[in-house]
Amino acid sequence: EAAVTQSPRNKVAVTGGKVTLSCNQTNNHNNMYWYRQDTGHGLRLIHYSYGAGSTEKGDIPDGYKASRPSQENFSLILELATPSQTSVYFCASGDRGNNQAPLFGEGTRLSVL
Amino acid sequence: GDSVTQTEGLVTLTEGLPVMLNCTYQSTYSPFLFWYVQHLNEAPKLLLKSFTDNKRPEHQGFHATLHKSSSSFHLQKSSAQLSDSALYYCALSDRNNYAQGLTFGLGTRVSVFP
Repeated sequence: EAAVTQSPRNKVAVTGGKVTLSCNQTNNHNNMYWYRQDTGHGLRLIHYSYGAGSTEKGDIPDGYKASRPSQENFSLILELATPSQTSVYFCASGDRGNNQAPLFGEGTRLSVL
Repeated sequence: GDSVTQTEGLVTLTEGLPVMLNCTYQSTYSPFLFWYVQHLNEAPKLLLKSFTDNKRPEHQGFHATLHKSSSSFHLQKSSAQLSDSALYYCALSDRNNYAQGLTFGLGTRVSVFP
């Protein structure tokens, strides 16, 4: 069964600390995405990837980096976390052969204090 | 750039009554349109997507019709159920740049009461 798994599911970080959010997909999809969800803003794209080794900036990339070491894994990195990055983060994977409907993970709730 | 505008905020209704959520879009190219549903503390899940052959997609009693002339993809259900209480997102995908992800609207929260 198609799946996107995120870890951790919940994270509390301190301002200025480094945070890494991980995402694994078993769907053999080429494309992966990181979104954040905030009330009043919907889902906004942070970074995306076309495949292993590729990372591209989305609509709100400032303060975030991404890493795609393999087809299956896509990480979101906050080098210097700030309270404004408190949010729920969703990873998704998709492919043209998947009828163009990305599949989302369960989300990571991040609080930066 | 691409954009999606949805019915804003909260929609409350009584079980058994019809529901319609508006979605209009702007896109340079003829896009694919989607509706996602997100229940509390869950992932967004695909509810409906537009077809290339103008068929009307239906799922779980919901349907939506893509009207290119008015750039709309409104979501409808004839009789709301308590389990339909959720957050609904309309989204589009550029046919020529699918890999760059979906553009989402701000979401519409639906609360269905007995």
